[in-house]
Amino acid sequence: DAGITQSPRHKVTETGTPVTLRCHQTENHRYMYWYRQDPGHGLRLIHYSYGVKDTDKGEVSDGYSVSRSKTEDFLLTLESATSSQTSVYFCAISDLGTSGGNEQFFGPGTRLTVL
Amino acid sequence: SQKIEQNSEALNIQEGKTATLTCNYTNYSPAYLQWYRQDPGRGPVFLLLIRENEKEKRKERLKVTFDTTLKQSLFHITASQPADSATYLCAPIGTGSNYQLIWGAGTKLIIKP
Repeated sequence: DAGITQSPRHKVTETGTPVTLRCHQTENHRYMYWYRQDPGHGLRLIHYSYGVKDTDKGEVSDGYSVSRSKTEDFLLTLESATSSQTSVYFCAISDLGTSGGNEQFFGPGTRLTVL
Repeated sequence: SQKIEQNSEALNIQEGKTATLTCNYTNYSPAYLQWYRQDPGRGPVFLLLIRENEKEKRKERLKVTFDTTLKQSLFHITASQPADSATYLCAPIGTGSNYQLIWGAGTKLIIKP
């Protein structure tokens, strides 16, 4: 299995509080991605990174920010959590990006509940 | 807008039979299409990639087809086993893109002994 860990694995928080999810990889892959997965929806890209300090928005980036200060770490922050952000969050990595059909390796996910 | 459709209803198949899952896409011309497997409580795992100029791709008991005219990919599991029970996701990819924007919601496959 690709060396990807996510922390925490489960979190319950209250509306309006800030939340940070961490993705850590040991594969030295250049690309890192944050997705959310909700019932009835496909994975939806929140933000992605193509290098240290290089990030870009995905389809559902509103209310989320990211940072990547080291190759191995990609942080996802919910500045002020809302109930609509209750979801399962997956981090993924890819060495060459998806160009050329390169596969992504996924972490185990973080289940976030916002009350 | 671009849209990916997979059968949202679970597919129940008897062990030993061939399971066929469908992925349809609209307003999109992907250069590649990937299939992933996802088990409950876990992240997706890559299974197969097929390119637009390939009609068919095989890997052990898995076979994927890609029909760019019909805008459809079919995913087959032959000689299915209960261990094949999972949700299967399709992910079309455009050329020159470094991120996967669009995923199918997945089809849950249940193989009954």
